[in-house]
Amino acid sequence: TQLLEQSPQFLSIQEGENLTVYCNSSSVFSSLQWYRQEPGEGPVLLVTVVTGGEVKKLKRLTFQFGDARKDSSLHITAAQPGDTGLYLCAPKTNTGNQFYFGTGTSLTVIP
Amino acid sequence: NAGVTQTPKFQVLKTGQSMTLQCAQDMNHEYMSWYRQDPGMGLRLIHYSVGAGITDQGEVPNGYNVSRSTTEDFPLRLLSAAPSQTSVYFCASTFTGTNSPLHFGNGTRLTVT
Repeated sequence: TQLLEQSPQFLSIQEGENLTVYCNSSSVFSSLQWYRQEPGEGPVLLVTVVTGGEVKKLKRLTFQFGDARKDSSLHITAAQPGDTGLYLCAPKTNTGNQFYFGTGTSLTVIP
Repeated sequence: NAGVTQTPKFQVLKTGQSMTLQCAQDMNHEYMSWYRQDPGMGLRLIHYSVGAGITDQGEVPNGYNVSRSTTEDFPLRLLSAAPSQTSVYFCASTFTGTNSPLHFGNGTRLTVT
């Protein structure tokens, strides 16, 4: 199991602010997925990044995969209350089919 | 299209009791897995399967058994429940060997007293 660190663990911000959450490891990944989980529900995929240095945008969310494919970041511009939730990264390695998850970042956006 | 269905949604057990958490998917996914979610711990992989008749251990397999007799079903068995197994359990499925997303059920909240 690769050691996955997500930071920060908790984040509470005002509507309209920007934020960045991080997913870091010492392992090299073949790909990485970001999920968002709302209370009482299972996680839902936001994006998959595959290539080192890749940047993907999903409306106000920008995802980046590190050049060395060991880390990733999620940047939210002008956060909205609807962005509230638990953000989880889930890398994959070349050695197996397993999906392991980071500890998550719990985001609260205050109106 | 039902996706991933988990039953029950809630369960309370006494220490030492056994039970089975059910998971079924109708998307013909080869890969199925079980996770537990505890505060501050994210999702931890319990067991997974890459096809009927094949199962393997994840990060936290102790105290749990699984089997995969069909593509659709992947039940998780607790043989002798312990308070440490109080958690929310999620089942997920996807296609193997691809970057397809994991599809999750809505979870089972288990309390062991």
